[in-house]
Amino acid sequence: AQSVTQPDIHITVSEGASLELRCNYSYGATPYLFWYVQSPGQGLQLLLKYFSGDTLVQGIKGFEAEFKRSQSSFNLRKPSVHWSDAAEYFCAVAVNTGGFKTIFGAGTRLFVKA
Amino acid sequence: DAGVIQSPRHEVTEMGQEVTLRCKPISGHNSLFWYRQTMMRGLELLIYFNNNVPIDDSGMPEDRFSAKMPNASFSTLKIQPSEPRDSAVYFCASSPQGLGETQYFGPGTRLLVL
Repeated sequence: AQSVTQPDIHITVSEGASLELRCNYSYGATPYLFWYVQSPGQGLQLLLKYFSGDTLVQGIKGFEAEFKRSQSSFNLRKPSVHWSDAAEYFCAVAVNTGGFKTIFGAGTRLFVKA
Repeated sequence: DAGVIQSPRHEVTEMGQEVTLRCKPISGHNSLFWYRQTMMRGLELLIYFNNNVPIDDSGMPEDRFSAKMPNASFSTLKIQPSEPRDSAVYFCASSPQGLGETQYFGPGTRLLVL
């Protein structure tokens, strides 16, 4: 069965420090992978996505993610975190069931301390 | 583009009442998704439509929930009768077919059933 695992429920980093959020997926075919961000009281917004090609993808707000097929991972990174990055982050995989549907991980809440 | 529009943004009702949530997807998008988000269960896919046809409703919790998409620009999610455990934020999302299924989320409807 398809699934997405985000092992960290929450992470706290200092402003200016680097960030890595982990994501592992389970899907037999070539995955379409996504990272979404949700600010408090808001809907989800796409940060970046991977379909094919270069395994290092760049997104908005200075985020990047690297697809590693051998590890079934799609970790999100940012070199220097800003206080405004505090939010919840969701990793997701799109699976084809006669139309695509997206399976979301449980989310990782990011706290940023001054 | 106005993005995905949901109404109402907030709904407070009493147990046993009927609740109808509305969604207008982005024009030209072929897929529409209804999600429920709670602290306990995270983000759950309830149902999704492709070209106005329900493809997968396995996430609909029980017969009290129903969803329709009478045309490409409108969808409803109805709960009848509502129960306190239905309290959650309900998101609608749409996506353009054939573009890797990036989903565009609405702002959500925050439902409280007393």
